[in-house]
Parts: sequence; structure tokens; C-alpha cells
Amino acid sequence: GEEVAQTPKHLVRGEGQKAKLYCAPIKGHSYVFWYQQVLKNEFKFLISFQNENVFDETGMPKERFSAKCLPNSPCSLEIQATKLEDSAVYFCASSQFPGTYGYTFGSGTRLTVV
Amino acid sequence: AQSVTQLGSHVSVSEGALVLLRCNYSSSVPPYLFWYVQYPNQGLQLLLKYTTGATLVKGINGFEAEFKKSETSFHLTKPSAHMSDAAEYFCAVSDRGSQGNLIFGKGTKLSVKP
Repeated sequence: GEEVAQTPKHLVRGEGQKAKLYCAPIKGHSYVFWYQQVLKNEFKFLISFQNENVFDETGMPKERFSAKCLPNSPCSLEIQATKLEDSAVYFCASSQFPGTYGYTFGSGTRLTVV
Repeated sequence: AQSVTQLGSHVSVSEGALVLLRCNYSSSVPPYLFWYVQYPNQGLQLLLKYTTGATLVKGINGFEAEFKKSETSFHLTKPSAHMSDAAEYFCAVSDRGSQGNLIFGKGTKLSVKP
């Protein structure tokens, strides 16, 4: 399809529970990026993939966050043992050639940790 | 490290007036620059981008931006504001060239008064 599909749109988890978010990139886009948007609208880069390979993971809090992009499956971002400060909107973006074409963003998953 | 500064977290204009949203960047390599718009509870939509070539870039919805290397700026303008332009606008620079992740500014909220 021509849109980046993120599921679910909303997710509520109790503190300490696991959260798993999904992203289906646009067909043919080999780059996938995950961003976290916190309350003050600041975007924090988490991780990027080139196909199924991690391209850049400098933004990932590795203790509790993990991500995968496997062939023929949606990409996923998993948070083990969620904390209150993980409450945010998580955006996925995909691109064929990021510099040339820019990025197409999904509509995000709003995670609320209570 | 690359960074983006958006001057003014909130800009208010009257309908029909000029829109000017300021963005300055720092980069040690030729940057790729982007403007995105975010409507409430939605994802990011690409307005326009500068990669190479012409420094005046035209985008969607009547917006344009000019890359000025000497001023390290990429300000977004629109000659005549419309009520539907009210949204949050984000300037971004691409890290590490064509495959890198986006570094976002903190956003400017545009209000349009009737």
C-alpha cells in the first residue's frame, strides 16, 4: 500500500507490563525509522532499519526497548516492563531513499502507561 | 552533531497574512532539510524538502522554503495564510546524509485568526 500502517492506534498498559507496537512500511521501502514523540512535541529518534538489518540504534534505551524488522512481517517495537515515562506517541516512518524522497510517516501509536 | 532550532514555539497570524516560520540548522556536512506539518492527533505530512539543486523549494498547500547556506537557514513561508494552515510545523535535518535519521526541531505551532 501507499501508506505506513501502524497498529494499534491506542495502547494502554499498566506500569511493568509489556507493550508491542507494529508498523507495516510502504511496499518497496527498505528503510524503516522509529520515533518517540513526547508531550512537549519533541521527537526522539529510536532506531532505524535497512531491510531486516539494524542501521542505527543510537537512540534506543536498550534495557527495555527492542525492535525487529523481519521479512514478510510488520516491523515491531517492543517495550518490556513499561514505565510511566514511556507514555508517548510512537511514530514509524519508511523510505526508499531517505535523502532523495524524504520519509513517509504513519499516524502513530499512542501509548499510555498507567 | 547536527541540530535544528526553530525560533518561536508559537506564531499567530491573521487569515490572508504572510506566514513565516523560522528554522536554523547546524551541520558539518551538506544538509538535507525538511519541513513537516502535523495536524492534531495525526502523523507528520511532508510539506517540502531540500536535497540539492535549486535553493528555493516549493511544496504543497502553497508553502515554500529557501535554503540559505550562508545563514544556515531554511525558513518556511506562505504568502497568504488560510484557516486550514493552523497546525504544528516541524523543521528537520537529515543526519549522516541520505540514509540517516531525521533530527527535528521542537516545532512551531501556527495559529490563524479570522
